[in-house]
Amino acid sequence: EDQVTQSPEALRLQEGESSSLNCSYTVSGLRGLFWYRQDPGKGPEFLFTLYSAGEEKEKERLKATLTKKESFLHITAPKPEDSATYLCAVQAGNQFYFGTGTSLTVIP
Amino acid sequence: ETGVTQTPRHLVMGMTNKKSLKCEQHLGHNAMYWYKQSAKKPLELMFVYSLEERVENNSVPSRFSPECPNSSHLFLHLHTLQPEDSALYLCASSQDRGRGLGYTFGSGTRLTVV
Repeated sequence: EDQVTQSPEALRLQEGESSSLNCSYTVSGLRGLFWYRQDPGKGPEFLFTLYSAGEEKEKERLKATLTKKESFLHITAPKPEDSATYLCAVQAGNQFYFGTGTSLTVIP
Repeated sequence: ETGVTQTPRHLVMGMTNKKSLKCEQHLGHNAMYWYKQSAKKPLELMFVYSLEERVENNSVPSRFSPECPNSSHLFLHLHTLQPEDSALYLCASSQDRGRGLGYTFGSGTRLTVV
């Protein structure tokens, strides 16, 4: 069964404390893996798309990587404004599969 | 105005009411979607409209009824809802369904059924 699993469910970091979020997937025929940021009461905001193993994308303090089984979202020296829920989704064919997200809190 | 716009942002309705959610996209995309987001659960696809087809999630109750009059507008008509239908309803659009280009989401409608 196609599935997307994100871990951890919640993460608390001190400001400046780097860490990584994980998204593991079991789908056939990956067309793309997507990372979104979602603030409370708002819709998900697109961050990155990764298409093939070995690919990396960066944006400010965020870096996304992809292997054949999982993706990591690395957060370097996070700031309080990075606090949000980070969602991972994969596309296989015409189907999108979402994870349940990682809630990140960055403490000043 | 750009992006995907949803109205209203918040909605409180009784179980006997009829209401509609509206979504408009200004991106020239060819596919639009309704998703339901509940706490601790993955986003649940409810309906898809694209140039090629309309797709429904067969588990969505008939008290939810979509309407897509053109490629830029999408509605979700609600009637006789249940308290468990309270959730964040998200509209999204994409250039098409199959090219792996991802979604652009609206800000959502927070629905509370009382």
